[in-house]
Amino acid sequence: EIVLTQSPGTLSLSPGERATLSCRASQSISSSYVAWYQQKPGQAPRLLIYVASRRATGIPDRFSGSGSGTDFTLTISRLEPEDFAVYYCQQYGSSPKLTFGGGTKVEIK
Amino acid sequence: QVQLQESGPGLVKPSETLPLTCTVSGGSVSGVSYYWSWIRQPPGKGLEWIGYIYSSANANYNPSLKSRVTISLDTSKNQFSLRLMSVTAADTAVYYCARLFTSWMFFDSWGQGTLVTVSS
Repeated sequence: EIVLTQSPGTLSLSPGERATLSCRASQSISSSYVAWYQQKPGQAPRLLIYVASRRATGIPDRFSGSGSGTDFTLTISRLEPEDFAVYYCQQYGSSPKLTFGGGTKVEIK
Repeated sequence: QVQLQESGPGLVKPSETLPLTCTVSGGSVSGVSYYWSWIRQPPGKGLEWIGYIYSSANANYNPSLKSRVTISLDTSKNQFSLRLMSVTAADTAVYYCARLFTSWMFFDSWGQGTLVTVSS
């Protein structure tokens, strides 16, 4: 079973700062099937990144994804007020077919 | 632009079956480019994939829920449904339906979610 571990659990930053979010897989996974989502309170998740590094339609270029193998990263270059939210990574592959990480909350410091 | 909308009871009694339906508009549940999925999120917790379906006879489920879950597809109504049997309080969650893009296996469209509480 592939487990995705996200760290840190909570990231306390100020607007304008850089955010670096980690997603580590318990075994090597295909970067073709790694995605990142943003979720705000009371809302459904929104796709940010797919294929580990491709931005979804309409996503600002301050969001970027990278990584391969077991280590993947979501970077927000300069936090805007609307970026404070919870972020999830997701993979598709071995059983269970689809898994999500536990999430990283980016909060205002 | 495709839209998904969940519907079903907001309260289900323990040991009973939780039934939810997702109605899709602006797109078809037929075809090969998308799988149709259910995902849930217990209050204050993370996301859990429940399963997906493509064509009426092909479904894939999370092994942790497989013994209790059935997902079905109704192409005539452009809907897909979830049935979760023998529910307990641990099944209390916001349930989302979502579209899975099969080329890269990511969820590109989501319903707004519906809270289902399991309680007597």
